[in-house]
Amino acid sequence: DSGVTQTPKHLITATGQRVTLRCSPRSGDLSVYWYQQSLDQGLQFLIQYYNGEERAKGNILERFSAQQFPDLHSELNLSSLELGDSALYFCASSARSGKSTDTQYFGPGTRLTVL
Amino acid sequence: GENVEQHPSTLSVQEGDSAVIKCTYSDSASNYFPWYKQELGKGPQLIIDIRSNVGEKKDQRIAVTLNKTAKHFSLHITETQPEDSAVYFCAASRGQNFVFGPGTRLSVLP
Repeated sequence: DSGVTQTPKHLITATGQRVTLRCSPRSGDLSVYWYQQSLDQGLQFLIQYYNGEERAKGNILERFSAQQFPDLHSELNLSSLELGDSALYFCASSARSGKSTDTQYFGPGTRLTVL
Repeated sequence: GENVEQHPSTLSVQEGDSAVIKCTYSDSASNYFPWYKQELGKGPQLIIDIRSNVGEKKDQRIAVTLNKTAKHFSLHITETQPEDSAVYFCAASRGQNFVFGPGTRLSVLP
């Protein structure tokens, strides 16, 4: 158990809908990262937050957004969903950000299925 | 940007044999190289990592070697066991943004 929690575990929805994925980092970790894992794309970095502020962006679509709250939990919002958004979405957390590389610990993931 | 290649994509070994997975990276400024194990239905789990100021690191049956000149690093698993069967991912980073390899599916046959 990494200490990172994600909810829900599974999510099934229809095209065009909007969903919210939730992540709680390990106790004491200030950074949260979101990744998308699909069969043909591997693990793709989406976005990073550090202590409530956006720190880095990866291959995140404009239809997707995220935020980190004062209690350090994070939410990833996916809107106007398409079939191709079906994937595993992972959250990871680490203690620090930016100045040096820190180990990232992954949560169990949310499996999103868009029908 | 950084690009990480990983080989082989699948690997089958007999229980007790060794397994080696190799990764190459493109950005010479990358300085942190973790390896993750992902079992079916679970998130990636860190199994070992190495930083650029070290050439080799061991943890029981697992070792990682790094060749900065050639820009490649390898995962070595000795005395493999059935519970080692999983998908293994390497990653390279020079800050906090990891770039992952495509993964290697390791099967340990009893």
